[in-house]
Amino acid sequence: AIRLTQSPSSLSASVGDRVTITCRASQGITSALAWYQQKPGKAPNLLIYDASTLESGVPSRFSGSGSGTDFTLTISSLQPEDFATYYCQHFYSYPRTFGQGTKLEIK
Amino acid sequence: QVQLVESGGGVVQPGGSLRLSCTASGFIFSSYGMHWVRQAPGKGLEWVAFIRYDGNNKYYADSVKGRFTLSRDNYKNTLYLQMNSLRPEDTAVYYCAKERSSRYGDFLDYWGQGTLVTVSS
Repeated sequence: AIRLTQSPSSLSASVGDRVTITCRASQGITSALAWYQQKPGKAPNLLIYDASTLESGVPSRFSGSGSGTDFTLTISSLQPEDFATYYCQHFYSYPRTFGQGTKLEIK
Repeated sequence: QVQLVESGGGVVQPGGSLRLSCTASGFIFSSYGMHWVRQAPGKGLEWVAFIRYDGNNKYYADSVKGRFTLSRDNYKNTLYLQMNSLRPEDTAVYYCAKERSSRYGDFLDYWGQGTLVTVSS
């Protein structure tokens, strides 16, 4: 199975900061990667697919990049509603694994 | 709009069985593959299983293979997860999710609100 390793596992930041979360795959997955945001008690919400395509309705301050084994999710200017947990997931093969998550907290 | 509503969760003893349902609306259910993903309390997301749009292809996580069975009724727009030989480590919120095709594969685009399964004596 392909392993996805996210870093950092947690991150403290302030409103207006630029933050970057990384996701590394244990083998090449082309651009078959999605990013999700999850708030407490809620289902995950799709942000990015195909590593860099912004889902409709998602604010443009979110962006994704990468291919092969190394990927990043960037939030250009943090807003109060962005404090949540973020997960990457590959869709290159089965099983469809997730990263362990990155919890973004208010500093 | 797309809606996915899970039901059937509850408390069950170790070794017991439970069947989860996911009722879909707002899209042509029979045209899309569907997944189950679970999340243990305070933990991350774990992919559980996939079923193709016509029910003819299925994949399972190793942690549930041989114990869980995925099926669907395209006339009733409903997805099912039959869970047998349940273990305490199966305790989680179970989400159903719809997939969408892209250039690089099929990713999860819409998720239900989840249903809680608790395995405890």
